[in-house]
Amino acid sequence: GQNIDQPTEMTATEGAIVQINCTYQTSGFNGLFWYQQHAGEAPTFLSYNVLDGLEEKGRFSSFLSRSKGYSYLLLKELQMKDSASYLCAVLDSNYQLIWGAGTKLIIKP
Amino acid sequence: GAVVSQHPSRVICKSGTSVKIECRSLDFQATTMFWYRQFPKQSLMLMATSNEGSKATYEQGVEKDKFLINHASLTLSTLTVTSAHPEDSSFYICSARDVGGLDTEAFFGQGTRLTVV
Repeated sequence: GQNIDQPTEMTATEGAIVQINCTYQTSGFNGLFWYQQHAGEAPTFLSYNVLDGLEEKGRFSSFLSRSKGYSYLLLKELQMKDSASYLCAVLDSNYQLIWGAGTKLIIKP
Repeated sequence: GAVVSQHPSRVICKSGTSVKIECRSLDFQATTMFWYRQFPKQSLMLMATSNEGSKATYEQGVEKDKFLINHASLTLSTLTVTSAHPEDSSFYICSARDVGGLDTEAFFGQGTRLTVV
């Protein structure tokens, strides 16, 4: 079956750096997405990786290793507004999005 | 980025009534739209894939007679929850991808919070 694993919850301090990991086993791979979702709101797009390596976009960076079935989202200079759930999703061989359960990130002052 | 508009954002209805949720892609054409349900503290659960001009494809366990999906045009899909019950209370979200690329991001509507009383 298809599976995406990410930690349920993480806590970090304002101003610090946090890394949210995502591992996947899917039938084929056509890219990996990271989304941010605040409580009660729809997800918003953060990043897309299809090739190995690190993609940097401001305070957020996303890394992919296809051989390891592994990705991480790196958030720097954490702000209180970064408190949200972060969803990892993989586009499989049928171009269907397979979603992880999300990681709830709690930022403390 | 592209915009997907979902309406209404919140709805409260009585048990046994029907509720229609609209999902529109405002600045791109979406041959395929996806309908998700999300319970508190859980991930998105794909309910069905809506294809323009044809019948929707439902995921296992989703009652197609209860959750009616119509994708009448390249920019509009609707989900109707028929004979709603309190257990149908959930957050419903639609998403769409641009016709032009299979590997493009999914754009989400704002979501609809349905409460059945």
